[in-house]
Amino acid sequence: DAKTTQPNSMESNEEEPVHLPCNHSTISGTDYIHWYRQLPSQGPEYVIHGLTSNVNNRMASLAIAEDRKSSTLILHRATLRDAAVYYCILRVGAGSYQLTFGKGTKLSVIP
Amino acid sequence: EPEVTQTPSHQVTQMGQEVILRCVPISNHLYFYWYRQILGQKVEFLVSFYNNEISEKSEIFDDQFSVERPDGSNFTLKIRSTKLEDSAMYFCASSVDLGSAYGYTFGSGTRLTVV
Repeated sequence: DAKTTQPNSMESNEEEPVHLPCNHSTISGTDYIHWYRQLPSQGPEYVIHGLTSNVNNRMASLAIAEDRKSSTLILHRATLRDAAVYYCILRVGAGSYQLTFGKGTKLSVIP
Repeated sequence: EPEVTQTPSHQVTQMGQEVILRCVPISNHLYFYWYRQILGQKVEFLVSFYNNEISEKSEIFDDQFSVERPDGSNFTLKIRSTKLEDSAMYFCASSVDLGSAYGYTFGSGTRLTVV
């Protein structure tokens, strides 16, 4: 999988929006942008994915830059339960089975 | 919401012993995976499994490891002769399809401690 760059850590106040950035300047045309998160002592949890257009689901929104070299995961109202490590992962086209996890961004939520 | 179930949640074993970690993937999923995470380190891919055979494996997945789907619901990871460095969280995952447009569902993991 192509490389992504994320800040090591971020902080947010509870009930405030959080914007988690990810740079992926070497992304190719068929790479999907996936986000997972890992709560303490849990397995990774799928959050959202997209290819070119912005995406919304019940957990979050994904904003993808026009050139696709960066994306932002948006949590609209952070709760204490959102404190986790967030991973931005590029999935190459068909034939790739594995997810390549980096160090991710550790999000702390302040009550 | 459907879940991937892993048992046991914690296993302690002596070095050199065989262990079997068990997983029940989501029922309509066709692709199954094992990942591991050594304490404080990244989540690492071990193996993927489809249609009763290994699809892809990493360098970590050497001859000490094997996977099996013994029946229609369970998916197991066997470590033949455990080493101290096998101590880690082992996560099972499944997906409905292979394509990069699909997300994976992970279990909560089995913490393996080799003493």
